[in-house]
Amino acid sequence: SQTIHQWPATLVQPVGSPLSLECTVEGTSNPNLYWYRQAAGRGLQLLFYSVGIGQISSEVPQNLSASRPQDRQFILSSKKLLLSDSGFYLCACWSYNEQFFGPGTRLTVL
Amino acid sequence: GENVEQHPSTLSVQEGDSAVIKCTYSDSASNYFPWYKQELGKRPQLIIDIRSNVGEKKDQRIAVTLNKTAKHFSLHITETQPEDSAVYFCAATRGNNRLAFGKGNQVVVIP
Repeated sequence: SQTIHQWPATLVQPVGSPLSLECTVEGTSNPNLYWYRQAAGRGLQLLFYSVGIGQISSEVPQNLSASRPQDRQFILSSKKLLLSDSGFYLCACWSYNEQFFGPGTRLTVL
Repeated sequence: GENVEQHPSTLSVQEGDSAVIKCTYSDSASNYFPWYKQELGKRPQLIIDIRSNVGEKKDQRIAVTLNKTAKHFSLHITETQPEDSAVYFCAATRGNNRLAFGKGNQVVVIP
């Protein structure tokens, strides 16, 4: 079975600072990968998905970007964080006909 | 695109009673319907799913039913226990292995 790693687990960043969140997957090859954001007490918003190395699709316009430099690595970035970027960031993997979530990164922008 | 509606937003049940959460979807091409349970501060966990070629699936105290004609599916939890208290999300496929999620239901099991 696959395992999804995310780091860091928690992060506090000032407004205007850059961001880099990393997600790696084990136990599967060529998975579809996803980045979701969950604001406090809210639902799951799909930000990006990727079907392969270098292939990124954006769901919503924003100041975030994503990259997939390796088959099992997915990175979420920002050049300048906004207060509204605070939330719980979840990486997910579609494998064996099911979607699983990583443990998440809780980001607070001050 | 696919739109998933989830009702009710909050559900309180007495321990031992049953809980039912209903979701409706709009895209008749959707063929996979998972349910996730999210405890406070944790990741959503897949608890049960159903594909469009079956009408019902059961796993111990939880079951899911699917009505393709009416485009709705439901999660049933029997003999509820305090550890069933969580937010439950339903979802439906919307192409390219993406999922459209409902907004979530807060289930509270009262001891």
